[in-house]
Amino acid sequence: EAGVVQSPRYKIIEKKQPVAFWCNPISGHNTLYWYLQNLGQGPELLIRYENEEAVDDSQLPKDRFSAERLKGVDSTLKIQPAELGDSAVYLCASSPNTGETQYFGPGTRLLVL
Amino acid sequence: GDSVTQMEGPVTLSEEAFLTINCTYTATGYPSLFWYVQYPGEGLQLLLKATKADDKGSNKGFEATYRKETTSFHLEKGSVQVSDSAVYFCALVYSGGGADGLTFGKGTHLIIQP
Repeated sequence: EAGVVQSPRYKIIEKKQPVAFWCNPISGHNTLYWYLQNLGQGPELLIRYENEEAVDDSQLPKDRFSAERLKGVDSTLKIQPAELGDSAVYLCASSPNTGETQYFGPGTRLLVL
Repeated sequence: GDSVTQMEGPVTLSEEAFLTINCTYTATGYPSLFWYVQYPGEGLQLLLKATKADDKGSNKGFEATYRKETTSFHLEKGSVQVSDSAVYFCALVYSGGGADGLTFGKGTHLIIQP
């Protein structure tokens, strides 16, 4: 069974530029999560989707971050404009349903110069 | 709010040594507890979990017991190998109030020397 797929794996951009990350969850998983992992820290939740509905986005900085999950499958996380402090690893995870075990993708490592 | 505290790393051990990585938590309800492992250059992998008090999770020689009295979920392994070198994260998920994101500790970097 294929795991959670993320792309790109690495991204280097200049500050003020836009950037987007893509996630394809495990087939059949209804719940999708985006996490932010700073260097030397544990991941922190940005947003959670149940199917196509964002049900917990309280930690998403909405002035520059946006996310969507069209058709309740793939998801895209966008930053516009990027700032130096956004350099981190962005992790996507999915679970069959809310409250069940979460499975993580390899992450996208972002460097903002 | 909920939080997870792990022992600071790096933890350096010799091969075949006994491993303990401490993890304690604070939560307003009855969370499920997890250990995830992150190998260099890879994503987080679920190592083991426990969903209620006194449950013991185990996998690949690792085990951890959900201790409600001491709010702990310490990770143990009897004989570590070089291939166990990784960063280990303790985490909880608490579904009260609809929040379902994992709350992670800061991670413990484990280094096993041959």
